[in-house]
Amino acid sequence: EAGVAQSPRYKIIEKRQSVAFWCNPISGHATLYWYQQILGQGPKLLIQFQNNGVVDDSQLPKDRFSAERLKGVDSTLKIQPAKLEDSAVYLCASSLETSGGTETQYFGPGTRLLVL
Amino acid sequence: AQTVTQSQPEMSVQEAETVTLSCTYDTSESNYYLFWYKQPPSRQMILVIRQEAYKQQNATENRFSVNFQKAAKSFSLKISDSQLGDTAMYFCAFMTARDDKIIFGKGTRLHILP
Repeated sequence: EAGVAQSPRYKIIEKRQSVAFWCNPISGHATLYWYQQILGQGPKLLIQFQNNGVVDDSQLPKDRFSAERLKGVDSTLKIQPAKLEDSAVYLCASSLETSGGTETQYFGPGTRLLVL
Repeated sequence: AQTVTQSQPEMSVQEAETVTLSCTYDTSESNYYLFWYKQPPSRQMILVIRQEAYKQQNATENRFSVNFQKAAKSFSLKISDSQLGDTAMYFCAFMTARDDKIIFGKGTRLHILP
């Protein structure tokens, strides 16, 4: 079984530029999550999708971050414009469905973003 | 609000020794789940072990076991017969039964020394 795929693995941009990350969840997984992991901290949930609908985006900085999952499969996370404090690893995870902790979340390798 | 605290930023142990990673949490919920995740240097996060709060029996997965003290809100991870491949960041995490929002601690960096 293929795991969660993410690209690119690394990205370096200058502040105020735009950047987009892509995630392909495990086949058949209805729920998709984007996390931000700043160096020295644990991951923080940015947004959660159930199929192509948003379940929780309460911690997404909506003035600069956006995410979509149009066909309920792949997802993209965009930052526009980027700030220095956006430097982090962006992790994508997926699970079979939303079910209050009984389904394991499987994580991708992450995209490491450096904003200069 | 729920919080997860890992008081040991970094630890080192010799190969084959037993090591215990500490975690405390705070919540007013009665039904929740606790996790330990491992993040090796390649950064792919994987689930090590999971504990349901309503279960009194401590979870065990091969060399990994937990000491779940619900009243004390403590959830430590014990790694027996540690191996070089256990070198990684270990995150303690919490999730209520109401939703799938995982709250992670800051992590403990574990080094297994040859």
